[in-house]
Amino acid sequence: DARVTQTPRHKVTEMGQEVTMRCQPILGHNTVFWYRQTMMQGLELLAYFRNRAPLDDSGMPKDRFSAEMPDATLATLKIQPSEPRDSAVYFCASGLVSAGTFAETQYFGPGTRLLVL
Amino acid sequence: GENVEQHPSTLSVQEGDSAVIKCTYSDSASNYFPWYKQELGKGPQLIIDIRSNVGEKKDQRIAVTLNKTAKHFSLHITETQPEDSAVYFCAARSSNTGKLIFGQGTTLQVKP
Repeated sequence: DARVTQTPRHKVTEMGQEVTMRCQPILGHNTVFWYRQTMMQGLELLAYFRNRAPLDDSGMPKDRFSAEMPDATLATLKIQPSEPRDSAVYFCASGLVSAGTFAETQYFGPGTRLLVL
Repeated sequence: GENVEQHPSTLSVQEGDSAVIKCTYSDSASNYFPWYKQELGKGPQLIIDIRSNVGEKKDQRIAVTLNKTAKHFSLHITETQPEDSAVYFCAARSSNTGKLIFGQGTTLQVKP
């Protein structure tokens, strides 16, 4: 069945290193979301795209985070340089918005568990 | 800013009992309220949702109620089973921004 896939599933890196997380949305979906989950802050929206265009990235630290959609089947989230406080689980979710859609259902991937030492 | 409060943070029930989780939201422009279930090591999965023009929705053992005037909504699980044990998140979507704001989650434990 159709699923959102994310790679890598786990990443351990040292402070200062670049981290790239990838997401493949469900085929045909036109909206992609990036979330961060921590015990303290819960689920926070970092950025989202519709038809590959960024709609909102106000939740993302601009100095070190960047999000892109090189094509409709790939979304990336980069952290450069990474810091220990970036340790969290990062989720990608996708949805479909079309004419008459009230609100898109968001389907979450399995997440990337990031540990920055 | 937009905020969603969720209670309780943990809930323990005996198998077969009912469980109720409550959320309140601050943004009066919110018009869509999904509930997600997250199992250990997995991403959140949608279990039920409700729109602002509906007061109640039911799907087998799960139901959601919405009180727009009071700005709160609740998840009801009847005849709980051990496999219902997970973390449950409520969320509210603003019609202005389109963003989902999540509650802090409720860890539900169903004891056999």
